[in-house]
Amino acid sequence: SAVISQKPSRDICQRGTSLTIQCQVDSQVTMMFWYRQQPGQSLTLIATANQGSEATYESGFVIDKFPISRPNLTFSTLTVSNMSPEDSSIYLCSVEAWDVANYGYTFGSGTRLTVV
Amino acid sequence: DQQVKQNSPSLSVQEGRISILNCDYTNSMFDYFLWYKKYPAEGPTFLISISSIKDKNEDGRFTVFLNKSAKHLSLHIVPSQPGDSAVYFCAASANYGGSQGNLIFGKGTKLSVKP
Repeated sequence: SAVISQKPSRDICQRGTSLTIQCQVDSQVTMMFWYRQQPGQSLTLIATANQGSEATYESGFVIDKFPISRPNLTFSTLTVSNMSPEDSSIYLCSVEAWDVANYGYTFGSGTRLTVV
Repeated sequence: DQQVKQNSPSLSVQEGRISILNCDYTNSMFDYFLWYKKYPAEGPTFLISISSIKDKNEDGRFTVFLNKSAKHLSLHIVPSQPGDSAVYFCAASANYGGSQGNLIFGKGTKLSVKP
């Protein structure tokens, strides 16, 4: 299955600034997914990133706050804009993965963001 | 309203015994279920899955059981090992293989396996 390199692994940022998170996949994938896991909460899908088209955002998430780029089939970025302490979360990218008998998703190692 | 619920935030088991992690769901449209394991400072790792046409799927020490009438699934780990200590997430999808990323996750259960 695909291997995802995600960076940065963690960052501490000042409120009002922006952080761009990068995910590089070792194979071409049609869709990449961005998730957020707030403290004590489950993983929540932010948006789906397709190459060559605009990302599709889930309810509660907007492009101005979380702009996404998908320049090719192996790379995507998520920017957390104009950050506030409420944006402190773990952000993860994900792609679909098939192995012999199962269909699932492969996740990056995550970016732990703390906004102060 | 949570569509996928893991009501036990933590579980402690002795090494060699069985670990049973439970998950309940409310959406009858879910037709595919997955379990993920997550170690600290790492992303979730896919563990095992089951589609709604089955009631059991087994992979080595891991078995997932699905009870559709009760909207309940469970993950059994036998025998449990200290390396199994992690947070386990249950996830569900209403679009099996539909490539829409619409996984709904539970909040996770932290499993501790004691030597």
